[in-house]
Amino acid sequence: KAGVTQTPRYLIKTRGQQVTLSCSPISGHRSVSWYQQTPGQGLQFLFEYFSETQRNKGNFPGRFSGRQFSNSRSEMNVSTLELGDSALYLCASSLYPTTPSEQYFGPGTRLTVT
Amino acid sequence: LAKTTQPISMDSYEGQEVNITCSHNNIATNDYITWYQQFPSQGPRFIIQGYKTKVTNEVASLFIPADRKSSTLSLPRVSLSDTAVYYCLVGDIWDDKIIFGKGTRLHILP
Repeated sequence: KAGVTQTPRYLIKTRGQQVTLSCSPISGHRSVSWYQQTPGQGLQFLFEYFSETQRNKGNFPGRFSGRQFSNSRSEMNVSTLELGDSALYLCASSLYPTTPSEQYFGPGTRLTVT
Repeated sequence: LAKTTQPISMDSYEGQEVNITCSHNNIATNDYITWYQQFPSQGPRFIIQGYKTKVTNEVASLFIPADRKSSTLSLPRVSLSDTAVYYCLVGDIWDDKIIFGKGTRLHILP
């Protein structure tokens, strides 16, 4: 069974631009969560989607948004990029979001904002 | 959401048992305790999860005292490949917004 895939793996953007990251969950998984990882803040929860609905949202500004499609694939968008948005963005999938169950993480997308 | 506190880093030697303790004084009744392992340039990988007492799987053991204000991840007979960052997470079973702490950087020496 294929794991969680994220595209692109690496991305370089300029301040003020916007970016869209993609995540394909494990087949059959319907819950997708997004995390931001930086050396200073560690792993921080961004948001979680289940059945195309956002269930939870972390403490991030409105520039960070996401969506989930009917096939459970998810995209995350960051508008008006800032230097501080440089990070590893991780996507995780699980069967259901009803418990703090095992989440399977993808390899991440490393975003660099210059 | 309960905040977790772990040692920033630990060193150990191959073949030793390693115990990493996590403090979560404000753990709520519905919270589970979950540990993840992360290698450089990879996403975290689930290790073990528990609610109380002791849980054991093929990779590790998790010890949770009766007051649940702390937990200890035990890795038996570590090898060099166990060098990684280990995260302790505390989450509400009704709220899947998992919060990661800073993690413990474990370095295994030959």
